[in-house]
Parts: sequence; structure tokens; C-alpha cells
Amino acid sequence: GAGVSQTPSNKVTEKGKYVELRCDPISGHTALYWYRQSLGQGPEFLIYFQGTGAADDSGLPNDRFFAVRPEGSVSTLKIQRTERGDSAVYLCASSLTPGGTYNEQFFGPGTRLTVL
Amino acid sequence: KNEVEQSPQNLTAQEGEFITINCSYSVGISALHWLQQHPGGGIVSLFMLSSGKKKHGRLIATINIQEKHSSLHITASHPRDSAVYICAVEGYGGATNKLIFGTGTLLAVQP
Repeated sequence: GAGVSQTPSNKVTEKGKYVELRCDPISGHTALYWYRQSLGQGPEFLIYFQGTGAADDSGLPNDRFFAVRPEGSVSTLKIQRTERGDSAVYLCASSLTPGGTYNEQFFGPGTRLTVL
Repeated sequence: KNEVEQSPQNLTAQEGEFITINCSYSVGISALHWLQQHPGGGIVSLFMLSSGKKKHGRLIATINIQEKHSSLHITASHPRDSAVYICAVEGYGGATNKLIFGTGTLLAVQP
């Protein structure tokens, strides 16, 4: 694929349910980021992967949130016991390398999560 | 206080006007990004800069590291420029290169 893709594009769930959000980064990109954007706000960092490992998960709001990237490519963000406050657009971004001066991040279209 | 502040939050302009969006930050940074987000659409990177000035078409971005301030300028604005413009910074000294975002500036260019 040409860019970062995310599925589903929209997810509506009930309070207390479990959801999984998927991100397919650009092929060959080793760095992968998850961000969350609430209505009217800028995105907020959740977690960063370098390869298969979560190098920085300091943005995860609590232990209901977890993310994996088992083969260093596709990543899944998992949310347990969803709450209405989890409603937001979840954005994924990838970059070729994590460091350096020219670390352009390429963003996916996002998954809009609505918790009823 | 947010680490990245943008002004104005909302901006309405007439087609052809020169537009300036400002960004101030309070942390040490390795780079600053300007991003564009259309309603219902994804985020597109416009510029990434760590010093000086960059130009791409009708867009110009400048940064003053000493003053911790950046500006995004749009010359000869057009209705298709209507979008949310977001300033984001990469923290200094870490390996993550995670972005810290401003809240965005909603720009509407009227014909």
C-alpha cells in the first residue's frame, strides 16, 4: 500500500466492551506511533514502537489500554472495558527511522471510536 | 499551560489574503512540524524544521529557536486551504521522537 492504513474507519461499541484497532504502517517503516485525538483537541501521544518492542508507552492513560506489534509491522491497539471517555479518533503514524533530523511521520486516516 | 500553544484558534479570511498562524512552545525541541488536517481526513505533514525558514509553493514556515516560536504563512490564500493547521514539536534528547501537538488552528478561506 501507498500509505498508512487503519481499520476499522469507524467503530461504535457499548460501554464495558473490548475493542481492537488495527494499523498497517508503510512497508519498511520501523517506527510506529499511536495517538488519540479528542474532539476539538490536538492529538495526544499514546505509545511508540521501534520494531516489535514498545519503546515508550508513557502516554497510555491506564491499564485498560494495551498495544502490540508482534512482527514489527502491523500494530493493534486494544482497549478493555471501554468507557465513554475513550471516544475519540485514534491515529496511527509511522516513520522510516525513529531518530535523526528528518523524522517525518506519515499518518493514517484514523479510527473514530464511539463508546455509547 | 500547554507545552505547545497556537494562535489564533479560529481564523476566517477572504480569498487572496495573506495568512499567519503562530506557534509557541515551552520545551526544548529537536524539530517542529506543521501539519494539515482536513475535516474527516487524515493528517498531512507540511513542514518539518529545526531552524530558519522553509518554503513550499504558497506556504512558508519559519522558526526562531531562541524565542521558541514558529509561524506558518499562506500567501494568496484559496478556499481549498481551509483546514485545521496543527503545530507539533519533537522533544529534545529522547529517542522516541514522539510529537507534542498544539490544539490546532481552524482556517476558513471564503471565496
